[in-house]
Amino acid sequence: GNSVTQMEGPVTLSEEAFLTINCTYTATGYPSLFWYVQYPGEGLQLLLKATKADDKGSNKGFEATYRKETTSFHLEKGSVQVSDSAVYFCALTAGTYKYIFGTGTRLKVLA
Amino acid sequence: GAVVSQHPSRVICKSGTSVKIECRSLDFQATTMFWYRQFPKQSLMLMATSNEGSKATYEQGVEKDKFLINHASLTLSTLTVTSAHPEDSSFYICSATIDRTYEQYFGPGTRLTVT
Repeated sequence: GNSVTQMEGPVTLSEEAFLTINCTYTATGYPSLFWYVQYPGEGLQLLLKATKADDKGSNKGFEATYRKETTSFHLEKGSVQVSDSAVYFCALTAGTYKYIFGTGTRLKVLA
Repeated sequence: GAVVSQHPSRVICKSGTSVKIECRSLDFQATTMFWYRQFPKQSLMLMATSNEGSKATYEQGVEKDKFLINHASLTLSTLTVTSAHPEDSSFYICSATIDRTYEQYFGPGTRLTVT
């Protein structure tokens, strides 16, 4: 079946460090891929998405490229800020409205 | 655009009582709404999918008689936790989709505490 695997957290970085959060997936067909961010006590906000192979999603300095050959959608940011501290979820849909979520990766950025 | 609201944001109720949570799409018509449950430091667990005017589809292991879902209009879905118990305490999040897209728009969540 379809699944999403994220790197386990927590990830702790200093401000201005480079961020990578790994996400790989298993899916039949051609899934759409998403990164969502959840700040403490809040719901999920869409960070970026990609709907076909080689698409690059980007928003607020975050980027992720849909790599079909490696079935990956790694999240990157060149210089993190304290305000980026949150939980990040990778997700996919594959021909239906249902999302398959990864387990989430908690990011903590220290000043 | 595509804003989803939930009400209340926090609720505390006594064991044995029922509590209703509302999910509204504010600026679009949502053909499908979803209800999730999230335990502390865990991912979201899909509870049910609801389509306007029809019965909700529950995920395996979710008690339909305990978690009543009503999707009376294209902008409103409600989740009622009946005869709540402390183990029902959780963060409940709804989401909605716009027809012909697979992207979900999430509400801010409702923190339920059963004492």
